[in-house]
Amino acid sequence: GQSLEQPSEVTAVEGAIVQINCTYQTSGFYGLSWYQQHDGGAPTFLSYNGLDGLEETGRFSSFLSRSDSYGYLLLQELQMKDSASYFCAVRGWEGSQGNLIFGKGTKLSVKP
Amino acid sequence: GAVVSQHPSWVICKSGTSVKIECRSLDFQATTMFWYRQFPKQSLMLMATSNEGSKATYEQGVEKDKFLINHASLTLSTLTVTSAHPEDSSFYICSAGKGTDTQYFGPGTRLTVL
Repeated sequence: GQSLEQPSEVTAVEGAIVQINCTYQTSGFYGLSWYQQHDGGAPTFLSYNGLDGLEETGRFSSFLSRSDSYGYLLLQELQMKDSASYFCAVRGWEGSQGNLIFGKGTKLSVKP
Repeated sequence: GAVVSQHPSWVICKSGTSVKIECRSLDFQATTMFWYRQFPKQSLMLMATSNEGSKATYEQGVEKDKFLINHASLTLSTLTVTSAHPEDSSFYICSAGKGTDTQYFGPGTRLTVL
C-alpha cells in the first residue's frame, strides 16, 4: 500500500522553530511537496523537493532524503498566523500531471 | 502566477438534487485536473483525475455515475454530484498542474446536502 506518516499535532510558541517530519512508502516517487491549509480554506503550496537536500523559501525550509524515504518541513520564527494544518504529499508519477498522495496532516498550534 | 478558481464556493442543496462544481485554470492550460474531497479534520482524498478530451479516471470506491466529471477544455473541468445525499456533504477541491513542479489548488467548494 501507499502511506505517508506525519505527526497529528504539534504545539510551539511564537518565535520558535518547529520541524514536521514525513516518512513515506509509495509505489512511485517523483517528489515531496508541502501544503498549508488553514481551517475552512484550501491547501496552498509551500515547497517542493524533487532531489535530496534542503530547499529554503523565506521562513520555511523543506528537506528530502530519498534513501530514507523521509522529509521534513522546518518553520522558523513562528508567527500566530502559522497555526494551520500542514500536509506532506508525494507525487507518484513524473511531472505535475501525476496525482498527489497526501499524508493525514499535522495540526500546528502556535501559542503566544 | 498559477491561479485556479472554483465556483461556487459553497452550495446548499436538497437531498436528491444534482450540483455542478466548476474548476478553472485562469492563467495556464491544464490537460489534467484533479478532484479531491476532504471531510472535516481529515486529509484530502483523490476522487478522480480529469483528462481533457477523454474520460476521467476514478479512484477505487468512487462511483463514476454519481460523480460525473467533464473536462470540456484546457481550462475547465466540472464535477457534478448527482442525486446528492447528506453523506456527500464535504469540501470538494480541484487542482491543476503547471510545469513540472507541483499542483495548484482551487479555493474549494463546500457542499451541504440537507
